[in-house]
Amino acid sequence: QKEVEQNSGPLSVPEGAIASLNCTYSDRVSQSFFWYRQYSGKSPELIMSIYSNGDKEDGRFTAQLNKASQYVSLLIRDSQPSDSATYLCAVILRGGYNKLIFGAGTRLAVHP
Amino acid sequence: DVKVTQSSRYLVKRTGEKVFLECVQDMDHENMFWYRQDPGLGLRLIYFSYDVKMKEKGDIPEGYSVSREKKERFSLILESASTNQTSMYLCASGSYGAGAYNEQFFGPGTRLTVL
Repeated sequence: QKEVEQNSGPLSVPEGAIASLNCTYSDRVSQSFFWYRQYSGKSPELIMSIYSNGDKEDGRFTAQLNKASQYVSLLIRDSQPSDSATYLCAVILRGGYNKLIFGAGTRLAVHP
Repeated sequence: DVKVTQSSRYLVKRTGEKVFLECVQDMDHENMFWYRQDPGLGLRLIYFSYDVKMKEKGDIPEGYSVSREKKERFSLILESASTNQTSMYLCASGSYGAGAYNEQFFGPGTRLTVL
């Protein structure tokens, strides 16, 4: 089992819809969770971080964390074509030095 | 805003050359990381450093070395470049400690081609 798993997609949604991206992780002790957005040919950009169970909202983005079920999700409301990118889920596993473990990423395509 | 810069956006080298990739961060972060990213393989950690002159191997250190002489600068060295090291190289930095929640920030990346 991979440590961090995501559906590779592509996830295709119409403009204005809600895009829902999911991620599961294997380490029950993980405490820190992140979502990065990566446009083609560019580097990952941190868009959300979440540390406790529940929802965290930032503009059109909502991160949801459920530690008991070991999943973290990202909702994008009112999706825009400019949201089309690959979204990487990342988790800091137990241990020192804050090594991030990345999922393979989900490609999101928002069509007009 | 955190700023992480990398010395080159694009680099073309020949097999056997020694290659230096440099990364500089301006946020006084303790931790710095080097990753490579390849299609279908995702992001893979090469080396990281948690303090000046300190380094730890990541998942794929073979063929690479690193240097961290100053806190803000972390260099990746390809001792003898090979074609299988053609990749996108990404540097990241982050703080260490509960208060800062351990976020990592990436530089723009260096696309290295080894011929």
